[in-house]
Amino acid sequence: AQSVSQHNHHVILSEAASLELGCNYSYGGTVNLFWYVQYPGQHLQLLLKYFSGDPLVKGIKGFEAEFIKSKFSFNLRKPSVQWSDTAEYFCAVKAGGGADGLTFGKGTHLIIQP
Amino acid sequence: SQTIHQWPATLVQPVGSPLSLECTVEGTSNPNLYWYRQAAGRGLQLLFYSVGIGQISSEVPQNLSASRPQDRQFILSSKKLLLSDSGFYLCAWSVSVAKNIQYFGAGTRLSVL
Repeated sequence: AQSVSQHNHHVILSEAASLELGCNYSYGGTVNLFWYVQYPGQHLQLLLKYFSGDPLVKGIKGFEAEFIKSKFSFNLRKPSVQWSDTAEYFCAVKAGGGADGLTFGKGTHLIIQP
Repeated sequence: SQTIHQWPATLVQPVGSPLSLECTVEGTSNPNLYWYRQAAGRGLQLLFYSVGIGQISSEVPQNLSASRPQDRQFILSSKKLLLSDSGFYLCAWSVSVAKNIQYFGAGTRLSVL
């Protein structure tokens, strides 16, 4: 079975700092990759996704992620964070082509200090 | 546009009591439906998924069950709750098996005391 590892459980940054959240997965076949975000008091929502093609994908609010197949990684980045980026971030993997669900990492709680 | 509703938002139940959480989706037909649980300090764990009415797949053996009596309704149940059933329960839906972009409800926070 596949698994997802997020290396940082809690990250605290100052506004305008650069962000990189690590995500590694274990699965040898074709995968779809996702980053979800949950802002305080809000639904879990899709931040960005990778299915195929260009391994550098862009999402909402200036976020991007790079799929490196050789490293089984899908790290999330943002050049300059804002206070409003404070949230919980989840990396997720969909392995294979069936209807079964996503495998999530444990999440990273990001706090941006003004 | 599509929307997903979950209720109740919070629930406090005694050990041994039954449970019924409901999830409905509007604005789409024949969605894939999912129940996840997030326990404290852990990621989201897939509990059940359904590709159609009456079709339920279980990912983790446990004290819970799921049913899909209608196309856009997904119910999570238990006959007797355990302390370990406490957590945050999320319902999600998707329309594409291949891509499986999932859209989540607001969740139900269940506390079993």
